Amino acid sequence: GAVVSQHPSWVICKSGTSVKIECRSLDFQATTMFWYRQFPKQSLMLMATSNEGSKATYEQGVEKDKFLINHASLTLSTLTVTSAHPEDSSFYICSARAGGTDTQYFGPGTRLTVL
Amino acid sequence: QKEVEQNSGPLSVPEGAIASLNCTYSDRVSQSFFWYRQYSGKSPELIMSIYSNGDKEDGRFTAQLNKASQYVSLLIRDSQPSDSATYLCAVNSGGYQKVTFGIGTKLQVIP
Repeated sequence: GAVVSQHPSWVICKSGTSVKIECRSLDFQATTMFWYRQFPKQSLMLMATSNEGSKATYEQGVEKDKFLINHASLTLSTLTVTSAHPEDSSFYICSARAGGTDTQYFGPGTRLTVL
Repeated sequence: QKEVEQNSGPLSVPEGAIASLNCTYSDRVSQSFFWYRQYSGKSPELIMSIYSNGDKEDGRFTAQLNKASQYVSLLIRDSQPSDSATYLCAVNSGGYQKVTFGIGTKLQVIP
């Protein structure tokens, strides 16, 4: 149990385009989902926390207009990187937590490369 | 600010030895503690959670929690080269707040 999927697993795009990443909880209802970014050889960096049906809460320094998060259902959250630039190239990982629990389960991650 | 501290390593141990990974945290009211393993280029996967003082064993893994001293550790017995990864300590300070992650300790098991 507690499986989280992400799609796509990798994406290459041109600078200035937008990219949408999906995060799904496959066998549980995720009332809260988290989006992280990880640069090579660095630690996880929390970008935002989203609760189903509410606006996401962004960490300090994360541009909410650039990284759009939608958590419209209990099994799906999306992260859209708008007007992507090469510096946005990174490994984006989501995690999900069921209501009434405190354990996060991670998706497999999406590797974004912006040319 | 809530902090979770880990030595970044690398920690090198020979195959078959016990690897000991340590983590300290700053928030005294922390209630839930987690160990995740992250292979290079992959996302973290949950190894164990621990909530009470003492030891919790799962196969070759043992998590140890000491709330008075504010540390949590992970022991890996009979270490294998496949255990080579970065181990992340994570702490939840109560309720359903976000979890704070340490920077992770890189473990290298030498054949």
